[in-house]
Amino acid sequence: AQSVTQPDIHITVSEGASLELRCNYSYGATPYLFWYVQSPGQGLQLLLKYFSGDTLVQGIKGFEAEFKRSQSSFNLRKPSVHWSDAAEYFCALTGNQFYFGTGTSLTVIP
Amino acid sequence: GAGVSQSPRYKVAKRGQDVALRCDPISGHVSLFWYQQALGQGPEFLTYFQNEAQLDKSGLPSDRFFAERPEGSVSTLKIQRTQQEDSAVYLCASSLVGSGPNTGELFFGEGSRLTVL
Repeated sequence: AQSVTQPDIHITVSEGASLELRCNYSYGATPYLFWYVQSPGQGLQLLLKYFSGDTLVQGIKGFEAEFKRSQSSFNLRKPSVHWSDAAEYFCALTGNQFYFGTGTSLTVIP
Repeated sequence: GAGVSQSPRYKVAKRGQDVALRCDPISGHVSLFWYQQALGQGPEFLTYFQNEAQLDKSGLPSDRFFAERPEGSVSTLKIQRTQQEDSAVYLCASSLVGSGPNTGELFFGEGSRLTVL
């Protein structure tokens, strides 16, 4: 079965602090993995994606993610969070279809 | 237009009413997806079109849900005899890739928020 798990429902960080959002997946082969961000009342915007090759991928807005096959993880990171990063973040996997995690809500404290 | 457009943005329906939600994908995008996003949840897959062909409708929750894309561009999601549990944001996404959903980036619309009273 294909699935995506985001263990953290809500995370709060201070502006300027580092950020890591966790994502674990279950898939029988090498997955295609994505991170999307959703601001209130907005559609989902792609941050970055992993198809193959270098396991550390860079995305927009200073985000990066690392694919770790041994841990079935694809965690999202950012060295220094900005107040505008407050949003809902979704990890997604494609197999037969696009499967999304339940999301992690990020609050940024000034 | 430049992005995926959905209408209406907000819809309030009385229980038992039929509703129709429209999606205008990005021009030239072959694949079109519908998702249902309940409050505090991630998007749940409903159905997928490649051009006008509905290749997967396994996510439609009941036979009250129906989607079509007759000319391979605009799509309509219809919900008959709406129930309170249908209240959610319905997201449409399109993708340029026509060979299946497992390689292309999805471009999302802003969604249609349905509230059933």
